[in-house]
Amino acid sequence: DQQVKQNSPSLSVQEGRISILNCDYTNSMFDYFLWYKKYPAEGPTFLISISSIKDKNEDGRFTVFLNKSAKHLSLHIVPSQPGDSAVYFCAASAKNYGQNFVFGPGTRLSVLP
Amino acid sequence: DVKVTQSSRYLVKRTGEKVFLECVQDMDHENMFWYRQDPGLGLRLIYFSYDVKMKEKGDIPEGYSVSREKKERFSLILESASTNQTSMYLCASRLPLTGETQYFGPGTRLLVL
Repeated sequence: DQQVKQNSPSLSVQEGRISILNCDYTNSMFDYFLWYKKYPAEGPTFLISISSIKDKNEDGRFTVFLNKSAKHLSLHIVPSQPGDSAVYFCAASAKNYGQNFVFGPGTRLSVLP
Repeated sequence: DVKVTQSSRYLVKRTGEKVFLECVQDMDHENMFWYRQDPGLGLRLIYFSYDVKMKEKGDIPEGYSVSREKKERFSLILESASTNQTSMYLCASRLPLTGETQYFGPGTRLLVL
């Protein structure tokens, strides 16, 4: 059973609009969450992270929100740009998992010009 | 800037062949990881290593082995390749016990015929 879920395999958004990517997790011991972006034929690159002691972290156009009670996090991209088109992976870690990351299945974002 | 390199971008092998995938990182990271990425399944951890000569099984180690003889190099071995091992293989490294991000290589796309 997947511990980290991304229920939308794909998402299309118009350039300039907001993109919202969602992620749900089942393990209440997860205490650190990350988003990675992956272009075709490249390895994933780190985008933004959030610790469980926070509920929001912002970096430029990217904001991650964490709702611990709902075991849900989301990535907001505002405004969306065509270069944001990629697969986005949510990942979580916990101290009792040796801080190894558990990845979700990914969401393919397409930003349309 | 961290650099993680993988020996091949594309590989085609026959069923039953022994396959070596090499990964090298240049940032003196203790921790190294091998994942495979499959559509709808995200990144799944095969093996990881906390330091030289050390190795730990990840979530899907069956059919794989690893070698870490030098700190900068982590090899993934498919003892007898099978068609269900056709996948994208990603190597990553990071500093230990920080919970911080992993740095990924560009990936090796392996096709087993």
